[in-house]
Amino acid sequence: EVQLVESGGGLVQPGGSLRLSCAASGFTFSTYSMNWVRQAPGKGLEWVSFISSSTGAIYYADSVKGRFTISRDNAKNSLYLQMNSLRAEDTAVYYCARDSRGSGTEFDYWGQGTLVTVSS
Amino acid sequence: EKVMTQSPATLSVSPGERATLSCRASQTVSSHLAWYQQKPGQAPRLLIYGASTRATGIPARFSGSGSGTEFTLTISSLQSEDFAVYYCQQYTDWPLTFGQGTRLEIK
Repeated sequence: EVQLVESGGGLVQPGGSLRLSCAASGFTFSTYSMNWVRQAPGKGLEWVSFISSSTGAIYYADSVKGRFTISRDNAKNSLYLQMNSLRAEDTAVYYCARDSRGSGTEFDYWGQGTLVTVSS
Repeated sequence: EKVMTQSPATLSVSPGERATLSCRASQTVSSHLAWYQQKPGQAPRLLIYGASTRATGIPARFSGSGSGTEFTLTISSLQSEDFAVYYCQQYTDWPLTFGQGTRLEIK
């Protein structure tokens, strides 16, 4: 059974940093591209970042470019999102999501999400 | 950036009836279009990809159609568990973008 479990969310002050993790199981993690998607309270879905399985391709939404860094450790079956210079508008539930069929396609499995709250 | 616009924002339909949800892209996305269902407190669930292919385990009452800039998600006979928020997403170009969602509520 495919499982994605996020962790690392919490309350952080504006300008602070946080590192999110996503533990993957039930599939060969190293062969799948992965994404982070977020959802602000009561709002819609916003794609945040993508990392390929092996080509080294990485993409970011303009709203986080230069502040967030996506990475992965295939030996640990884990995906990460380092978030720096956090702003109030980064407050959201952050989901990791598996890219279904390759490099930037639909998301076939999602984690349960981890809440990040940026507030003083 | 390709902007995805969903309509209506809220759709009220009775159980057993048909629901039709629309998604429009600001530029062509070919058939690189997915639909998701999200219930309160849950992660989104993939319903449709490639504009018209049902994901694994999705009931046949869900169907998708369209290409280019106009897409439709149809739920043929609404069940109680279908009342949720639905999102479309394009994956033809970076950044990947979602529509703002359609809330499907019980009439």
